[in-house]
Amino acid sequence: ETGVTQSPTHLIKTRGQQVTLRCSSQSGHNTVSWYQQALGQGPQFIFQYYREEENGRGNFPPRFSGLQFPNYSSELNVNALELDDSALYLCASSLEPYGYTFGSGTRLTVV
Amino acid sequence: GQSLEQPSEVTAVEGAIVQINCTYQTSGFYGLSWYQQHDGGAPTFLSYNALDGLEETGRFSSFLSRSDSYGYLLLQELQMKDSASYFCAVRDDSGNTPLVFGKGTRLSVIA
Repeated sequence: ETGVTQSPTHLIKTRGQQVTLRCSSQSGHNTVSWYQQALGQGPQFIFQYYREEENGRGNFPPRFSGLQFPNYSSELNVNALELDDSALYLCASSLEPYGYTFGSGTRLTVV
Repeated sequence: GQSLEQPSEVTAVEGAIVQINCTYQTSGFYGLSWYQQHDGGAPTFLSYNALDGLEETGRFSSFLSRSDSYGYLLLQELQMKDSASYFCAVRDDSGNTPLVFGKGTRLSVIA
Protein backbone atom coordinates (compact mmCIF):
# COMPACT_ATOMS: atom_id res chain seq x y z
CA GLU A 1 0.00 0.00 0.00
CA THR A 2 1.33 3.41 -0.93
CA GLY A 3 -1.30 5.43 0.92
CA VAL A 4 -2.88 8.65 -0.32
CA THR A 5 -0.54 11.38 -1.48
CA GLN A 6 -1.47 14.99 -2.15
CA SER A 7 0.39 17.76 -3.87
CA PRO A 8 1.41 20.40 -3.25
CA THR A 9 1.63 20.41 0.53
CA HIS A 10 1.40 24.18 0.79
CA LEU A 11 0.23 26.83 -1.63
CA ILE A 12 -0.27 30.57 -1.58
CA LYS A 13 -2.57 32.16 -4.14
CA THR A 14 -4.01 35.59 -4.75
CA ARG A 15 -7.72 36.32 -4.61
CA GLY A 16 -9.31 35.75 -8.02
CA GLN A 17 -6.76 33.20 -9.16
CA GLN A 18 -7.40 29.56 -9.97
CA VAL A 19 -5.82 26.55 -8.27
CA THR A 20 -5.52 22.82 -8.98
CA LEU A 21 -4.83 20.36 -6.20
CA ARG A 22 -3.85 16.76 -6.89
CA CYS A 23 -4.39 13.47 -5.15
CA SER A 24 -3.11 9.96 -5.79
CA SER A 25 -5.43 7.38 -4.29
CA GLN A 26 -4.40 4.35 -2.32
CA SER A 27 -3.84 1.39 -4.60
CA GLY A 28 -7.09 -0.41 -5.43
CA HIS A 29 -9.37 2.30 -4.07
CA ASN A 30 -11.98 3.37 -6.62
CA THR A 31 -13.68 6.13 -4.65
CA VAL A 32 -12.15 9.49 -3.86
CA SER A 33 -13.62 12.28 -1.78
CA TRP A 34 -12.47 15.82 -1.22
CA TYR A 35 -12.94 17.75 2.00
CA GLN A 36 -12.26 21.31 3.10
CA GLN A 37 -11.13 21.76 6.69
CA ALA A 38 -11.02 25.22 8.19
CA LEU A 39 -8.91 25.78 11.27
CA GLY A 40 -10.53 24.25 14.34
CA GLN A 41 -13.36 22.68 12.36
CA GLY A 42 -14.23 19.24 11.09
CA PRO A 43 -13.73 18.31 7.45
CA GLN A 44 -16.55 19.57 5.22
CA PHE A 45 -17.53 17.39 2.27
CA ILE A 46 -16.94 18.99 -1.14
CA PHE A 47 -17.62 16.15 -3.59
CA GLN A 48 -16.96 12.51 -4.27
CA TYR A 49 -16.02 10.52 -7.36
CA TYR A 50 -16.65 6.86 -8.02
CA ARG A 51 -15.11 5.31 -11.12
CA GLU A 52 -14.58 8.72 -12.72
CA GLU A 53 -18.14 9.94 -12.14
CA GLU A 54 -19.18 12.51 -9.56
CA ASN A 55 -21.68 10.77 -7.28
CA GLY A 56 -22.13 13.25 -4.47
CA ARG A 57 -21.63 16.91 -3.80
CA GLY A 58 -21.70 19.02 -0.68
CA ASN A 59 -22.77 22.62 -0.25
CA PHE A 60 -20.02 24.19 -2.32
CA PRO A 61 -20.44 26.56 -5.31
CA PRO A 62 -19.78 25.45 -8.89
CA ARG A 63 -16.38 27.15 -8.92
CA PHE A 64 -15.27 24.05 -7.00
CA SER A 65 -14.90 21.28 -9.57
CA GLY A 66 -13.06 18.03 -9.87
CA LEU A 67 -11.94 15.11 -11.94
CA GLN A 68 -11.09 11.50 -11.34
CA PHE A 69 -8.82 9.73 -13.80
CA PRO A 70 -8.79 6.07 -14.95
CA ASN A 71 -6.00 5.32 -12.50
CA TYR A 72 -8.28 6.73 -9.78
CA SER A 73 -6.09 9.75 -9.11
CA SER A 74 -8.01 12.98 -8.77
CA GLU A 75 -7.90 16.75 -9.05
CA LEU A 76 -9.72 19.51 -7.24
CA ASN A 77 -10.01 22.80 -9.11
CA VAL A 78 -11.11 26.05 -7.55
CA ASN A 79 -11.75 29.10 -9.70
CA ALA A 80 -12.03 32.75 -8.67
CA LEU A 81 -10.40 32.15 -5.31
CA GLU A 82 -11.79 33.98 -2.31
CA LEU A 83 -10.14 34.69 1.02
CA ASP A 84 -12.52 32.25 2.73
CA ASP A 85 -11.18 29.44 0.57
CA SER A 86 -8.08 29.42 2.74
CA ALA A 87 -8.14 26.01 4.41
CA LEU A 88 -6.65 22.55 4.51
CA TYR A 89 -7.93 20.49 1.58
CA LEU A 90 -8.05 16.79 2.23
CA CYS A 91 -8.38 13.95 -0.22
CA ALA A 92 -9.61 10.57 0.97
CA SER A 93 -9.83 7.32 -0.92
CA SER A 94 -11.84 4.27 -0.01
CA LEU A 95 -12.84 0.85 -1.20
CA GLU A 96 -14.75 -0.39 1.81
CA PRO A 97 -17.90 1.47 2.71
CA TYR A 98 -16.56 2.87 5.94
CA GLY A 99 -12.77 3.06 6.02
CA TYR A 100 -11.41 6.24 4.48
CA THR A 101 -7.69 6.76 4.04
CA PHE A 102 -6.83 10.43 4.09
CA GLY A 103 -3.88 12.20 2.57
CA SER A 104 -1.96 14.76 4.60
CA GLY A 105 -3.69 17.57 2.77
CA THR A 106 -2.82 20.73 0.92
CA ARG A 107 -2.71 23.90 2.97
CA LEU A 108 -4.10 26.66 0.73
CA THR A 109 -3.69 30.29 1.71
CA VAL A 110 -5.49 32.95 -0.31
CA VAL A 111 -4.18 36.48 0.10
CA GLY B 1 -29.25 16.21 6.16
CA GLN B 2 -27.02 15.11 8.96
CA SER B 3 -25.69 16.80 12.08
CA LEU B 4 -23.34 15.62 14.79
CA GLU B 5 -22.64 17.01 18.24
CA GLN B 6 -19.51 16.35 20.26
CA PRO B 7 -17.75 18.31 23.02
CA SER B 8 -15.27 20.84 21.73
CA GLU B 9 -12.55 20.15 24.31
CA VAL B 10 -11.65 17.50 26.86
CA THR B 11 -8.67 17.40 29.23
CA ALA B 12 -7.51 14.24 30.97
CA VAL B 13 -4.54 13.02 32.95
CA GLU B 14 -1.94 10.64 31.57
CA GLY B 15 -2.83 7.05 32.44
CA ALA B 16 -6.50 7.84 32.96
CA ILE B 17 -9.57 6.93 30.90
CA VAL B 18 -11.53 9.44 28.83
CA GLN B 19 -14.83 9.15 26.99
CA ILE B 20 -15.75 11.36 24.05
CA ASN B 21 -19.46 11.42 23.27
CA CYS B 22 -21.18 11.95 19.95
CA THR B 23 -24.85 12.38 19.17
CA TYR B 24 -26.08 12.45 15.63
CA GLN B 25 -29.11 13.15 13.48
CA THR B 26 -29.33 11.52 10.06
CA SER B 27 -32.09 10.70 7.60
CA GLY B 28 -30.70 7.19 7.29
CA PHE B 29 -27.83 5.50 9.10
CA TYR B 30 -24.95 3.42 7.90
CA GLY B 31 -22.50 3.40 10.73
CA LEU B 32 -20.58 5.69 13.05
CA SER B 33 -16.86 6.14 12.54
CA TRP B 34 -14.14 7.77 14.61
CA TYR B 35 -11.04 9.51 13.34
CA GLN B 36 -7.98 10.93 15.07
CA GLN B 37 -6.14 13.97 13.77
CA HIS B 38 -2.91 15.37 15.17
CA ASP B 39 -2.08 19.01 14.52
CA GLY B 40 -0.90 19.40 10.95
CA GLY B 41 -1.68 15.78 10.13
CA ALA B 42 -4.26 13.77 8.24
CA PRO B 43 -7.35 12.26 9.89
CA THR B 44 -6.64 8.62 10.72
CA PHE B 45 -9.38 6.00 10.91
CA LEU B 46 -9.79 4.57 14.42
CA SER B 47 -12.98 2.54 14.53
CA TYR B 48 -16.40 1.88 13.07
CA ASN B 49 -19.71 0.75 14.56
CA ALA B 50 -22.56 -0.39 12.38
CA LEU B 51 -24.43 -2.31 15.07
CA ASP B 52 -25.18 -1.55 18.70
CA GLY B 53 -22.53 -2.40 21.20
CA LEU B 54 -18.87 -2.03 21.94
CA GLU B 55 -15.98 -2.48 19.54
CA GLU B 56 -12.54 -2.78 21.09
CA THR B 57 -9.19 -2.17 19.42
CA GLY B 58 -6.34 -2.09 21.86
CA ARG B 59 -6.59 0.96 24.12
CA PHE B 60 -9.45 2.36 22.05
CA SER B 61 -13.08 1.27 22.21
CA SER B 62 -16.13 2.64 20.49
CA PHE B 63 -19.76 2.22 21.43
CA LEU B 64 -22.98 2.72 19.52
CA SER B 65 -26.62 2.91 20.51
CA ARG B 66 -28.72 3.34 17.38
CA SER B 67 -31.95 3.80 19.34
CA ASP B 68 -30.39 6.78 21.14
CA SER B 69 -28.50 8.08 18.07
CA TYR B 70 -25.47 8.12 20.33
CA GLY B 71 -21.98 6.80 20.40
CA TYR B 72 -18.75 7.31 22.25
CA LEU B 73 -15.05 6.75 21.91
CA LEU B 74 -13.26 5.45 24.98
CA LEU B 75 -9.53 5.88 25.34
CA GLN B 76 -7.81 3.94 28.11
CA GLU B 77 -4.34 4.24 29.64
CA LEU B 78 -3.98 7.69 28.14
CA GLN B 79 -0.61 8.65 26.76
CA MET B 80 0.72 12.10 25.91
CA LYS B 81 0.71 11.12 22.22
CA ASP B 82 -3.08 10.74 22.40
CA SER B 83 -3.37 14.53 22.50
CA ALA B 84 -5.16 15.24 19.24
CA SER B 85 -8.56 16.06 17.78
CA TYR B 86 -11.11 13.28 17.56
CA PHE B 87 -13.95 13.34 15.07
CA CYS B 88 -17.08 11.25 14.88
CA ALA B 89 -18.52 10.79 11.41
CA VAL B 90 -21.64 9.21 9.94
CA ARG B 91 -22.84 8.07 6.58
CA ASP B 92 -26.59 8.11 5.99
CA ASP B 93 -26.71 5.44 3.32
CA SER B 94 -24.76 2.50 2.06
CA GLY B 95 -22.02 2.37 -0.50
CA ASN B 96 -20.62 5.59 -1.79
CA THR B 97 -22.44 8.28 0.12
CA PRO B 98 -20.00 10.63 1.79
CA LEU B 99 -18.92 10.74 5.40
CA VAL B 100 -20.21 13.71 7.37
CA PHE B 101 -17.95 14.80 10.23
CA GLY B 102 -18.60 16.44 13.54
CA LYS B 103 -16.64 19.54 14.50
CA GLY B 104 -14.21 17.49 16.54
CA THR B 105 -13.15 17.17 20.17
CA ARG B 106 -9.73 18.42 21.10
CA LEU B 107 -8.22 16.10 23.70
CA SER B 108 -5.38 17.39 25.83
CA VAL B 109 -3.52 14.82 27.91
CA ILE B 110 -1.66 16.34 30.84
CA ALA B 111 0.96 14.87 33.14
